Amino acid sequence: NAGVTQTPKFQVLKTGQSMTLQCAQDMNHEYMSWYRQDPGMGLRLIHYSVGAGITDQGEVPNGYNVSRSTTEDFPLRLLSAAPSQTSVYFCASRSGTVNTGELFFGEGSRLTVL
Amino acid sequence: AQSVAQPEDQVNVAEGNPLTVKCTYSVSGNPYLFWYVQYPNRGLQFLLKYITGDNLVKGSYGFEAEFNKSQTSFHLKKPSALVSDSALYFCAVRVYGNNRLAFGKGNQVVVIP
Repeated sequence: NAGVTQTPKFQVLKTGQSMTLQCAQDMNHEYMSWYRQDPGMGLRLIHYSVGAGITDQGEVPNGYNVSRSTTEDFPLRLLSAAPSQTSVYFCASRSGTVNTGELFFGEGSRLTVL
Repeated sequence: AQSVAQPEDQVNVAEGNPLTVKCTYSVSGNPYLFWYVQYPNRGLQFLLKYITGDNLVKGSYGFEAEFNKSQTSFHLKKPSALVSDSALYFCAVRVYGNNRLAFGKGNQVVVIP
């Protein structure tokens, strides 16, 4: 029972480089989301999706792109990395048919931008 | 807008003593409230939630929380803390029809043997 799987777990980038953080879930969840976690700031929502082909912005979307071509996958793209994007990134999903449901989180991806 | 406040950065408690982690919220409408726990270098794990009904909700690992609408609070409690309860605890809130779950900044709980 894999749940939510994130890759890579660790990544170091140079300023201006691009990369994609992968997220996959095997629970057939309609809702998927990306958060970033920074010390003293809790978790902040970057982007979310309520189903394949549908995405929307969270509270800190600038510098990040997402797409949702399948129910299972929700990749997060950094087109031109900046030091301010150094953070721990979490993907989370829940059943979209149950609005009261809790989120299931991946183990996180730690990104450092030099 | 919806928001959560966790006023204390760190909560220190002796093993065996009661543990309380405070959370207050601000929403327009009826809140859905959640508590999550994060152990070092791990993702967040769901502890419990309040949706409707009984104000006292029970969750995993002996934790419980009380919803207080008049004080807009949802404090997490455990009658007798264990060293293994040392972790980072997050309160979160959402309202019906809103897909955004807003988190507080988290409370570090340290249980002293």
